[in-house]
Amino acid sequence: ETGVTQTPRHLVMGMTNKKSLKCEQHLGHNAMYWYKQSAKKPLELMFVYSLEERVENNSVPSRFSPECPNSSHLFLHLHTLQPEDSALYLCASSRGSGAQSGEQFFGPGTRLTVL
Amino acid sequence: AQSVTQLDSQVPVFEEAPVELRCNYSSSVSVYLFWYVQYPNQGLQLLLKYLSGSTLVKGINGFEAEFNKSQTSFHLRKPSVHISDTAEYFCAVRETGGSYIPTFGRGTSLIVHP
Repeated sequence: ETGVTQTPRHLVMGMTNKKSLKCEQHLGHNAMYWYKQSAKKPLELMFVYSLEERVENNSVPSRFSPECPNSSHLFLHLHTLQPEDSALYLCASSRGSGAQSGEQFFGPGTRLTVL
Repeated sequence: AQSVTQLDSQVPVFEEAPVELRCNYSSSVSVYLFWYVQYPNQGLQLLLKYLSGSTLVKGINGFEAEFNKSQTSFHLRKPSVHISDTAEYFCAVRETGGSYIPTFGRGTSLIVHP
């Protein structure tokens, strides 16, 4: 399988649940990203993992917790979410070196609904 | 710091008409520029990119964009659109030699009417 895959594609959860989103890339990239895409709002970068660093958007609440066990896998752990966290969560990957163009490859997203 | 502005949040157009989606960027150094497309219920995919060389860049699905350094613009064009081009379009920029993390614009919704 090639490209960037995300599971699940759809997720409905209550505010007290704990769930995880999974992202996997088979492109040999060494940087992976989580974005949040809400209706009528700009694409929001949440977290970045690369060989060199981990980057966090300080405005992301602590109820979102990323994990990157290796360069091919990225998780987003969710707990005690709020209804306003309902959105499309996109994973992307790229070559992480500054010498590369920075072109990103995106997964299809996980549509999250928090009840 | 880099930034990008997409001047139109929504662009309605009739099928087979030409279209231009505008993108302006701000940076004190040279840049790489990208256009991505997002079809409903999908992730973003690259349409085209400018890295260096010719300022006219051709991409997939008949789209092209022109890099204009003096006007700090990278507008996307297509001479004749199809219903299937209805989608969200994102412009992105990153500074050469800087962080590998690009900055995205807010997106432009292209709506093609029959």
